[in-house]
Amino acid sequence: AQKITQTQPGMFVQEKEAVTLDCTYDTSDQSYGLFWYKQPSSGEMIFLIYQGSYDEQNATEGRYSLNFQKARKSANLVISASQLGDSAMYFCAMREGENDSNYQLIWGAGTKLIIKP
Amino acid sequence: ETGVTQTPRHLVMGMTNKKSLKCEQHLGHNAMYWYKQSAKKPLELMFVYNFKEQTENNSVPSRFSPECPNSSHLFLHLHTLQPEDSALYLCASSLVRTGNEKLFFGSGTQLSVL
Repeated sequence: AQKITQTQPGMFVQEKEAVTLDCTYDTSDQSYGLFWYKQPSSGEMIFLIYQGSYDEQNATEGRYSLNFQKARKSANLVISASQLGDSAMYFCAMREGENDSNYQLIWGAGTKLIIKP
Repeated sequence: ETGVTQTPRHLVMGMTNKKSLKCEQHLGHNAMYWYKQSAKKPLELMFVYNFKEQTENNSVPSRFSPECPNSSHLFLHLHTLQPEDSALYLCASSLVRTGNEKLFFGSGTQLSVL
């Protein structure tokens, strides 16, 4: 079974609209962390936002927010007021466990987001 | 600019060649990573170095050989590669402390094996 599932391989969104990118995860650990990264066509992965499993509030970073629904094991990324520069691949990733020597991030397959002018 | 620099950006090599990928970070991080990104597949972690010690080797074929001479530099030596090794190779670094550290990535090396 996949640990990180991103069900939307691609999305087209009109500029200035809000976007929700889906991510569901599977883990039996009580402590884990969830990450979202953006990969533009230039290739580098850019960190967007982090949510810890014990965080009671949804994480926010500027126009990015994470809709964390623990019981449903979902961690959707919400981008408000989308911009043309938001066009990119978006990846959801998870780190399991409390051991800070666990360097493994488990990655989803990504969602390609295209913002239309 | 994330502070992680990878060279070269593009590399085409034959199956009998030997080449090296280079990664450099000036962020003061203590962990460095090699990832492989193939089309339509999740990122695959290849190697992890923490304080220059290799802590992860995810069953990577021996034709890939990492080297970490210091905490700022990481190499991936390539020899007798196969066409299926063609992919984007990403280097990343982080400051390992509490488990929620974000990774800083380079722009990657797009490798084509002919």
